[in-house]
Amino acid sequence: GAVVSQHPSWVICKSGTSVKIECRSLDFQATTMFWYRQFPKQSLMLMATSNEGSKATYEQGVEKDKFLINHASLTLSTLTVTSAHPEDSSFYICSASYPSGVREQYFGPGTRLTVT
Amino acid sequence: QQQVKQSPQSLIVQKGGISIINCAYENTAFDYFPWYQQFPGKGPALLIAIRPDVSEKKEGRFTISFNKSAKQFSLHIMDSQPGDSATYFCAAPRGHGGSQGNLIFGKGTKLSVKP
Repeated sequence: GAVVSQHPSWVICKSGTSVKIECRSLDFQATTMFWYRQFPKQSLMLMATSNEGSKATYEQGVEKDKFLINHASLTLSTLTVTSAHPEDSSFYICSASYPSGVREQYFGPGTRLTVT
Repeated sequence: QQQVKQSPQSLIVQKGGISIINCAYENTAFDYFPWYQQFPGKGPALLIAIRPDVSEKKEGRFTISFNKSAKQFSLHIMDSQPGDSATYFCAAPRGHGGSQGNLIFGKGTKLSVKP
């Protein structure tokens, strides 16, 4: 149980375009989903926390207009990188928590974004 | 900003040896301490977790030792295998109440197990 998927697993886009990444909890309903960014050989940096049906909470320094997060259902959250630039190239990982309020957080396989 | 300090940054162990990774935390209100394992190009996977009401938890070759007074917890990998070579992250909850599941991560330890 506790499987989280992401799509796509990798994407290449041109500078100035937008790209959407999907995060799905496959076998449980996730009240809360999280989006992280990870640079090579570094730890996970939390970008935002999203709760189903409400606006995402962004971490300090994360541009909410650039990284649009939608959590439309208990099994799906999306991250859209708008007007992407090469510096947005990174490994983006989502995670999800059970609705029971337990602390366990389950991660997706990640999406490698390359902006050319 | 609450922190979780992880050491060492990298670790090389011979096959069959014991790998030990340490984490120190600051906030005594932390009530959940997980360890995650991450292979290159993959998302982190929950390996084992402990709550502060116990001092040790063992799952197979993986053991968490928890020292509440020292505000430290560690991961022990017994009989380390080359397949254990990965980056390990400790974490602790950053929030409570409405921030269920929100975690602070250590900087990671890259473990290499030599055959």
